[in-house]
Amino acid sequence: SQQGEEDPQALSIQEGENATMNCSYKTSINNLQWYRQNSGRGLVHLILIRSNEREKHSGRLRVTLDTSKKSSSLLITASRAADTASYFCATDLMDSSYKLIFGSGTRLLVRP
Amino acid sequence: NAGVTQTPKFQVLKTGQSMTLQCAQDMNHNSMYWYRQDPGMGLRLIYYSASEGTTDKGEVPNGYNVSRLNKREFSLRLESAAPSQTSVYFCASSERGRTEAFFGQGTRLTVV
Repeated sequence: SQQGEEDPQALSIQEGENATMNCSYKTSINNLQWYRQNSGRGLVHLILIRSNEREKHSGRLRVTLDTSKKSSSLLITASRAADTASYFCATDLMDSSYKLIFGSGTRLLVRP
Repeated sequence: NAGVTQTPKFQVLKTGQSMTLQCAQDMNHNSMYWYRQDPGMGLRLIYYSASEGTTDKGEVPNGYNVSRLNKREFSLRLESAAPSQTSVYFCASSERGRTEAFFGQGTRLTVV
């Protein structure tokens, strides 16, 4: 089973609304990262939050991390049609490896 | 700067054939990864290389082998392709395994 599970699997919103996606993971992490994928293309890194951080902002993105609940959320504010994509969380495991394990993803559709 | 380059972009194989997927990065990164993505799914880690000269199994290594040829190049080999290996394969690299990863554009492999 995958380290990260995302919720919801799919999300459809109107342009201008906010979109929230959640990620839960199972084992301790060094950091958690969010990526975006357009239509089967390569993934693009959005934001990284370290295990000792609780919240991070980047433009219209806000990420929170709750290590006690092993969960993270990604908020996209004032969404645009161009935000339509799949969003994945990835966990950098707190072990001696350098594995980067991805979740199952949330497919976001922003309707114009 | 090309970033992460994967070849080929598309490939069709017959069951039992072998092939090698090539990946090269020009960012002087230490860590490199191979993932597969099945339709509508997240990325699953096949193998990774934390640094030049080392390789380790990921979540789904069976049926694959890898070679970290040098710091720039990390290849993935299918010795005897099976229809279950039909997928999109992504190569990625990161500076030292604790930072953001950069992805190639993917190789779409179909095994018939």
